[in-house]
Amino acid sequence: DAKTTQPTSMDCAEGRAANLPCNHSTISGNEYVYWYRQIHSQGPQYIIHGLKNNETNEMASLIITEDRKSSTLILPHATLRDTAVYYCIVRVPYSPGSARQLTFGSGTQLTVLP
Amino acid sequence: EAQVTQNPRYLITVTGKKLTVTCSQNMNHEYMSWYRQDPGLGLRQIYYSMNVEVTDKGDVPEGYKVSRKEKRNFPLILESPSPNQTSLYFCASSLYPGQVRGYTFGSGTRLTVV
Repeated sequence: DAKTTQPTSMDCAEGRAANLPCNHSTISGNEYVYWYRQIHSQGPQYIIHGLKNNETNEMASLIITEDRKSSTLILPHATLRDTAVYYCIVRVPYSPGSARQLTFGSGTQLTVLP
Repeated sequence: EAQVTQNPRYLITVTGKKLTVTCSQNMNHEYMSWYRQDPGLGLRQIYYSMNVEVTDKGDVPEGYKVSRKEKRNFPLILESPSPNQTSLYFCASSLYPGQVRGYTFGSGTRLTVV
């Protein structure tokens, strides 16, 4: 799996967009970018994923650069409940017969301020 | 509601007293896994199961046992708990081994061994 680099922490004002960057310069052609988040002491929760096109769902948007070496998770209108650790993960979507674990790095602690 | 259910949420026990943390999923997932989370060390895999009666060690299996007699259940057993097993434990499941998007985590079990 490609290595990812994320800032340790970020703040965002409530109601504003939160933009969380992730660098993955060694990403290979068949690896996807996944984002999970972990609200304090709860289990990690899947947010969104993408390969090379920008993606949007009800939770967030994912912008992947054209060279795919970095991406940004966007929470368009951050709320206090979005305060969490956000993990960027890069790997192939499915490996038949593989039981490789999902590896979570240190992530970014996003704090949404009132 | 599709979910992974762990019990108990909180547990305080004494060194050497056998305990079991239960995990159950209602999504007919083949793959189940146990993680522990410790400050500064992130999420580390303890054991995983590819399917019924198929289990294998993760990165930190020492001091733990698991079983997978039924598809929906994957209990974590600590035969003789020690204080270094004080941690936050998560059970997770996915439809197939290695599937990333559908990784669903339980709410966690906070274990304290005194």
